[in-house]
Amino acid sequence: DGGITQSPKYLFRKEGQNVTLSCEQNLNHDAMYWYRQDPGQGLRLIYYSQIVNDFQKGDIAEGYSVSREKKESFPLTVTSAQKNPTAFYLCASSELPGQNYGYTFGSGTRLTVV
Amino acid sequence: AQSVSQHNHHVILSEAASLELGCNYSYGGTVNLFWYVQYPGQHLQLLLKYFSGDPLVKGIKGFEAEFIKSKFSFNLRKPSVQWSDTAEYFCAVKEGRDDKIIFGKGTRLHILP
Repeated sequence: DGGITQSPKYLFRKEGQNVTLSCEQNLNHDAMYWYRQDPGQGLRLIYYSQIVNDFQKGDIAEGYSVSREKKESFPLTVTSAQKNPTAFYLCASSELPGQNYGYTFGSGTRLTVV
Repeated sequence: AQSVSQHNHHVILSEAASLELGCNYSYGGTVNLFWYVQYPGQHLQLLLKYFSGDPLVKGIKGFEAEFIKSKFSFNLRKPSVQWSDTAEYFCAVKEGRDDKIIFGKGTRLHILP
């Protein structure tokens, strides 16, 4: 079945450590996105990419980094510079804007800083 | 900057009640509009979307939404809710040629059996 796989489902990080969240899709979608979901805050865009080897900052990119070396993969690194990293992280993908535009979401990774 | 406003953060209804969740956006040009739903423990999934044409859009599970351009609104409705509609609902907007979706803060809907 086509879809988006995020791993791990739960992740614990010590303060000062970088961690990388995985996002893989087999939908052949061009665009991929990372959002952060906090209670009462909705979804806020961290980074997005429309094409391999290119990506753009979203609204809350500080303390995060991404890469897009392959069309199907868009990993997110939460660096030690991120002041409040404990959150639920969602990856999404989509065809490029057109009549079929709309996100398919992964199941998310819950990151907790301990 | 574009923004999406959902009027109710938390709604509690009894089964069979009618539902309307408000959503307003700030962009004045061409928009694509979405409602996503997140059932407890499940993925976010698309409920319905508006791109063009008939402003009354029908989605899955008996939901519909009406795009009113003059009011910058895209309210979600369902005539008779069920306990299984308990979830968090997100309104979202993509403006013009932009290539990303902006989400509202969500409305938690709790249906009493």
